[in-house]
Amino acid sequence: DGGITQSPKYLFRKEGQNVTLSCEQNLNHDAMYWYRQDPGQGLRLIYYSQIVNDFQKGDIAEGYSVSREKKESFPLTVTSAQKNPTAFYLCASSDDSGEKLFFGSGTQLSVL
Amino acid sequence: AQTVTQSQPEMSVQEAETVTLSCTYDTSESNYYLFWYKQPPSRQMILVIRQEAYKQQNATENRFSVNFQKAAKSFSLKISDSQLGDTAMYFCAFMKLPTNSGYALNFGKGTSLLVTP
Repeated sequence: DGGITQSPKYLFRKEGQNVTLSCEQNLNHDAMYWYRQDPGQGLRLIYYSQIVNDFQKGDIAEGYSVSREKKESFPLTVTSAQKNPTAFYLCASSDDSGEKLFFGSGTQLSVL
Repeated sequence: AQTVTQSQPEMSVQEAETVTLSCTYDTSESNYYLFWYKQPPSRQMILVIRQEAYKQQNATENRFSVNFQKAAKSFSLKISDSQLGDTAMYFCAFMKLPTNSGYALNFGKGTSLLVTP
């Protein structure tokens, strides 16, 4: 089945540590996105990529980094500069029509 | 920047009844899409319905329909014959067209809907 796989489902970060969230898709989509979800805040865009080797900052990119070396993969690194990383992180992709975003099942990141 | 406002943080409805969730948005764009997404307790995001701004006819998907008022920048979701499985967070979202940001969505803060027996 085609879809988006996020791993791990739960992740814990220690102070000063960088952690990487994985996002893989087999839908052959060019565009991929990372959203952060906080209680009562809805979803906010962190980074997006429209094509391999290219990505752009979203509304809340500070403290995060991404790479897009393969069409299928768009990992997100939460750096130690992100002082409030506890949140639910959702990865998504879309085809050229833009008629629908396909979402992964998310990663819950917590700070130890 | 486009803003999406959902003014009802929480709502409750009895099974088999009808409920309407409100959404307003602010934009200077003339061409865009509007969406309603559902997020059940599993936290999986599920597309409920989509409306193209250039279409005057309101979108309908089974028990779900929208009331799209372009001039008023209003996009409400009506759920008919509510079922227990409709219990979820509902997010209204906006996508402008054409775009240099792929097809990124701007989301509202959500409405938590509880369907009671």
